Amino acid sequence: DIQMTQSPASLSASVGETVTITCRASGNIHNYLAWYQQKQGKSPQLLVYNAKTLADGVPSRFSGSGSGTQYSLKINSLQPEDFGSYYCQHFWSTPPTFGAGTKLELK
Amino acid sequence: QIQLVQSGPELKKPGETVKISCKASGYTFTNYGMNWVKQAPGKGLKWMGWINTYTGEPTYADDFKGRFAFSLETSASTAYLQINNLKNEDTATYFCARREGDGYYPFDYWGQGTTLTVSS
Repeated sequence: DIQMTQSPASLSASVGETVTITCRASGNIHNYLAWYQQKQGKSPQLLVYNAKTLADGVPSRFSGSGSGTQYSLKINSLQPEDFGSYYCQHFWSTPPTFGAGTKLELK
Repeated sequence: QIQLVQSGPELKKPGETVKISCKASGYTFTNYGMNWVKQAPGKGLKWMGWINTYTGEPTYADDFKGRFAFSLETSASTAYLQINNLKNEDTATYFCARREGDGYYPFDYWGQGTTLTVSS
């Protein structure tokens, strides 16, 4: 099984700042990588898939990058609605494993 | 619009059985697989497995073999998760999520989640 190591586990930032979250896969996942945002008490929402393709309706301040085993999600100019938890997930093979998550909090 | 609507919260005792539903609308049900994801309180997301909505064949992740069962009522565009012989550690929120095919696609729509509490 491919394991996903996500960092940092938590992040404190202010509105307007830029943050980056990273995920490292234990094997090559060939860009089959998604990022989800989850707000407290809600279901996850797809943000990015295929490493860098924004899902419908996702603001352009979000961007994904990476290849092979290393991937990242960058959020430019943080907005109040961006605070919550973020998860990466590979879908190269079964099981489609999630990272442990990053909790993005308001400083 | 595409929606996955899950059944309401459940409170069960250890040893009991629960069946959670996930009703799909806004798309052709049998064109997308249905996945199930567990989130224990304060924890991350764990993939439980999926069911092929066209053939009805389930696939279970290793940690969810035995007491867990996925099923369908295709005529009602509904998928089910049944958990038998409930344990305290089954306390969690369970999400259904659709995915095109069985690979190479993300989970693009999710249900709102069903909270299960197992307590004596």
